[in-house]
Amino acid sequence: QQQVKQSPQSLIVQKGGISIINCAYENTAFDYFPWYQQFPGKGPALLIAIRPDVSEKKEGRFTISFNKSAKQFSLHIMDSQPGDSATYFCAASPSSISGNEKLTFGTGTRLTIIP
Amino acid sequence: NAGVTQTPKFQVLKTGQSMTLQCAQDMNHEYMSWYRQDPGMGLRLIHYSVGAGITDQGEVPNGYNVSRSTTEDFPLRLLSAAPSQTSVYFCASSRRGDQPQHFGDGTRLSIL
Repeated sequence: QQQVKQSPQSLIVQKGGISIINCAYENTAFDYFPWYQQFPGKGPALLIAIRPDVSEKKEGRFTISFNKSAKQFSLHIMDSQPGDSATYFCAASPSSISGNEKLTFGTGTRLTIIP
Repeated sequence: NAGVTQTPKFQVLKTGQSMTLQCAQDMNHEYMSWYRQDPGMGLRLIHYSVGAGITDQGEVPNGYNVSRSTTEDFPLRLLSAAPSQTSVYFCASSRRGDQPQHFGDGTRLSIL
């Protein structure tokens, strides 16, 4: 059972445009939602993360929008650049006092920015 | 600061062979984990450890063993390699399970 559903599988955006990747989750205990960026031949790297006490978090050109009632969250990349071409993964986990909860990843979105 | 180091980077095995994928981190992180990445399936958790001497199973543990004798090292053992284990394997570490995970650059494993 896939607990985090990510779409689209692939995305092509023109340089300067807005890239939008969506994720939906089922487990209402999830309360930590990171996005990871992965370049070919490299491991994923944390891009930005949000907790459900806010509906939006922005870091530079990257914004996470969070809709708790719909159990959805999305990544927006403003002014997309060729250097943003990578695979993006959303993820989610519950929190606990121990901090030993496991991350569940989406299936990934391959983003290509064309000139 | 090396971060998370995985060795080897590439490996080809024959069906039935065994091998150990190495993972070491120098950030004094308590939480370490192993994932496999397959096309269209994202990252799936194999095993994880919340500290030295403590390990637990993830989503896809069958065919793999782990141990955690030190904080720094978390090796993954394939007991009897099968073609279905052809994948890219990533090791990650973090201070806690719900904090940013630092990934290595992966081991690309092919089982013939």
